Amino acid sequence: DIVMTQSPDSLAVSLGERATINCRSSQSVLYSSNNKNYLAWYQQKPGQPPKLLIYWASTRESGVPDRFSGSGSGTDFTLTISNLQAEDVAVYYCQQYYGTPRTFGQGTKLEIK
Amino acid sequence: QVQLVESGGDVVQPGRSLRLSCAASGFTFSTSAMHWVRQAPGKGPEWMSVISHDGSSKDYADSVKGRFTISRDNSKNILYLQMNSLRVEDTAVFYCARTADCLSASCYRQFDSWGQGTLVTVSS
Repeated sequence: DIVMTQSPDSLAVSLGERATINCRSSQSVLYSSNNKNYLAWYQQKPGQPPKLLIYWASTRESGVPDRFSGSGSGTDFTLTISNLQAEDVAVYYCQQYYGTPRTFGQGTKLEIK
Repeated sequence: QVQLVESGGDVVQPGRSLRLSCAASGFTFSTSAMHWVRQAPGKGPEWMSVISHDGSSKDYADSVKGRFTISRDNSKNILYLQMNSLRVEDTAVFYCARTADCLSASCYRQFDSWGQGTLVTVSS
């Protein structure tokens, strides 16, 4: 199984500042034949299901604000939230869909400082 | 818009069985591979199972292989998860989820739509 490890487990950021969440996979999730990273980011608020934010490591889902961006390749990835808003308080998960089982990171809890 | 509504969650004793359902609407269910994902209290999501658009292909996480069975009824737009020999560690919210633009169980894409989930509690 591909193990996904996120860092940090939690972080507190001031409103209007930038939040950075890291995700590392135990093996590369870059598929060489199409040069795509099989990596997604989700946001989960209490009592709600995960919501897709980013796929192919850097493609923003329709309707997601452009303050959310994804980067990275191979085994190391980053979710950046610029100009943090109060509604961004949530737990964020990375997920690989390169192989089965599809696996998720343990989550990063984002709070307002 | 895409809507997925799970049902069937309950409190059951260890060793018992339960069947979950997921009613789909707002998209062409019969052309979408579908998944079950669970989330134990305070934990991250855990992928459970996938079924191809026509039900011909299925796959399972090792933790539920041989105990859980995924199926679908495309005439009713419903996805099912039959859970047998339930264990305390199966306690979780169970979500159904869709993968975008996927027909087969071996199509690897992001989960673009999720239901609200149904809670399964296994306890004596």
